[in-house]
Amino acid sequence: EAQVTQNPRYLITVTGKKLTVTCSQNMNHEYMSWYRQDPGLGLRQIYYSMNVEVTDKGDVPEGYKVSRKEKRNFPLILESPSPNQTSLYFCASSYIYNSPLHFGNGTRLTVT
Amino acid sequence: GIQVEQSPPDLILQEGANSTLRCNFSDSVNNLQWFHQNPWGQLINLFYIPSGTKQNGRLSATTVATERYSLLYISSSQTTDSGVYFCAVEGRNQFYFGTGTSLTVIP
Repeated sequence: EAQVTQNPRYLITVTGKKLTVTCSQNMNHEYMSWYRQDPGLGLRQIYYSMNVEVTDKGDVPEGYKVSRKEKRNFPLILESPSPNQTSLYFCASSYIYNSPLHFGNGTRLTVT
Repeated sequence: GIQVEQSPPDLILQEGANSTLRCNFSDSVNNLQWFHQNPWGQLINLFYIPSGTKQNGRLSATTVATERYSLLYISSSQTTDSGVYFCAVEGRNQFYFGTGTSLTVIP
């Protein structure tokens, strides 16, 4: 089944403890991206990747890192999480940037 | 970045009614997509529609790129249509989302 898989679905952590949210797609998509969703703000793009080893900042990249060492994986790294990073996070992929986006099921992160 | 405005922000419909959701954007875009976020939080792609009109069952969408807006039509609404509808535009490889229209369909 074609899908975008995010893990974990829920994560509660403490300020400053490094964490990684994984994202994997099995559709051979070139474009992958991360978003955060906050009430009243819609979805905002954090980082995106046009292909392997090619990543770039979105609208809200501060406090986040990404890597794209393989085509199928695009992990989101929070080196030192803070409470203002409490949010619902989505990973998405598409064949190329100019094609339909497919979303994972989301990761709800709480930083205390 | 590109500003995306959706209207109305909230909508309550009786089952069977029709509705039109609007998405305005501030700049030229390469593509536009409509999504439905269901009550469980899943985001489902409804339409990839950079221009023109498309139909999928009871849903249809029209984008007039030269006038910078898109419309999503829902006909004969059902309770399963409830959720939040987002439009997203792409410019310079980045995606910009509106704040959504929250739709509640009551039986």
